[in-house]
Amino acid sequence: GNSVTQMEGPVTLSEEAFLTINCTYTATGYPSLFWYVQYPGEGLQLLLKATKADDKGSNKGFEATYRKETTSFHLEKGSVQVSDSAVYFCAFYSSASKIIFGSGTRLSIRP
Amino acid sequence: EAGVAQSPRYKIIEKRQSVAFWCNPISGHATLYWYQQILGQGPKLLIQFQNNGVVDDSQLPKDRFSAERLKGVDSTLKIQPAKLEDSAVYLCASSFQAGGNTDTQYFGPGTRLTVL
Repeated sequence: GNSVTQMEGPVTLSEEAFLTINCTYTATGYPSLFWYVQYPGEGLQLLLKATKADDKGSNKGFEATYRKETTSFHLEKGSVQVSDSAVYFCAFYSSASKIIFGSGTRLSIRP
Repeated sequence: EAGVAQSPRYKIIEKRQSVAFWCNPISGHATLYWYQQILGQGPKLLIQFQNNGVVDDSQLPKDRFSAERLKGVDSTLKIQPAKLEDSAVYLCASSFQAGGNTDTQYFGPGTRLTVL
């Protein structure tokens, strides 16, 4: 069935470090892929998305590339900041127009 | 532009009591969603409305949960009676179109429910 597997947290990095959060999905066809972010005390926000194979979504210095061969959508950022501390969710639209979320990865950045 | 509003932000009740949550979507958004987010998990869709009609309620525990969206704008989600396992954050989201696979969903801050 439809599912998302993402890196378990918490992930703790120092400021300016390189970030990768792995995400793979199981779905029929080629769904649109998303990364959502949840900052402390706030609601989920769409961080970036990609709607077809080889698309690269980007926002706020974060990037993720839609890889259909490996059914992956890994999130990367070259230099993280303390303000990036949040929970990150990988997700996709299933064929039933329903968003399937991963379990989330908590990221903490040390100054 | 105002975002999705939810109230209350926090609610503590005892098991077997009832509770209701309210959501006001972004103006003009046709589709409204209720999600349940249990601690340590991703959100799970409970019900999806398009205008005031139900599109998908396949994961809504209908023996205790109910939801309505009168007039196609605000929505309420009710739990009666509550169980311990209902402790979660209840998220409301809305989108402009009819839930197509490129449609962006905008989320409210959520209501954190604790059932004792």
